[in-house]
Amino acid sequence: QITLKESGPTLVKATQTLTLTCTLSGISLNTTGVGVGWIRQPPGKALEWLTVLSWNDDKHYSPSLKSRLTISKDTSKNRVVLTMTNLDPVDTATYYCARLWGKSYYFDYWGQGTLVTVSS
Amino acid sequence: QSVLTQPPSVSAAPGQKVTISCSGSNSNIGRNFVFWYQQLPGLAPKFLIYDNEKRPSGIPDRFSGSKSGTSATLAITGLQTGDEADYYCATWDTSLGAVTFGGGTKLTVL
Repeated sequence: QITLKESGPTLVKATQTLTLTCTLSGISLNTTGVGVGWIRQPPGKALEWLTVLSWNDDKHYSPSLKSRLTISKDTSKNRVVLTMTNLDPVDTATYYCARLWGKSYYFDYWGQGTLVTVSS
Repeated sequence: QSVLTQPPSVSAAPGQKVTISCSGSNSNIGRNFVFWYQQLPGLAPKFLIYDNEKRPSGIPDRFSGSKSGTSATLAITGLQTGDEADYYCATWDTSLGAVTFGGGTKLTVL
């Protein structure tokens, strides 16, 4: 059974840096074809894609957030880390990590999400 | 404002059929596969359709996808109350170099 789980702070202050971790179970990041993406959803709003780290280590970022995002992986711990700098209250959202499979850009397994609130 | 345009809401009675449209452009839907996700209230999104029309294992054939030109459509037949959810289309935008989601469509089963 493949599962993903997000972890990190639930409350951060404006201007601070957010670090979220996505830990995979049931599948290894070393497996050819396995990538991970991050998607967020502000309360009551639509999904917003943030970044992906593909199976071949290609990285892509949302053009509007590119300067603030970094995605990396730790294969020894089977996890992917998202870093977002200079937080603002508008970054308050549920952050999801999801598995990216192969060369397509669809997300077939999703974590439960973690709500991050940014206080001013 | 999303690059992909979906109607904010659709509704239909139980047992009926509903379609949800997703309109894009030549840089996204026009040249790349479309995917669909279902988000039940309070839950994480669920993978519903890939490569325009394929269903992952476990997704009933009541759900179907299609694509024509720069638009895509999700159809749901035999509507059930349990289908009430938000539905999102998504694809890769070649010009932006980014995954893009539609604004989502709320389905109400009356």
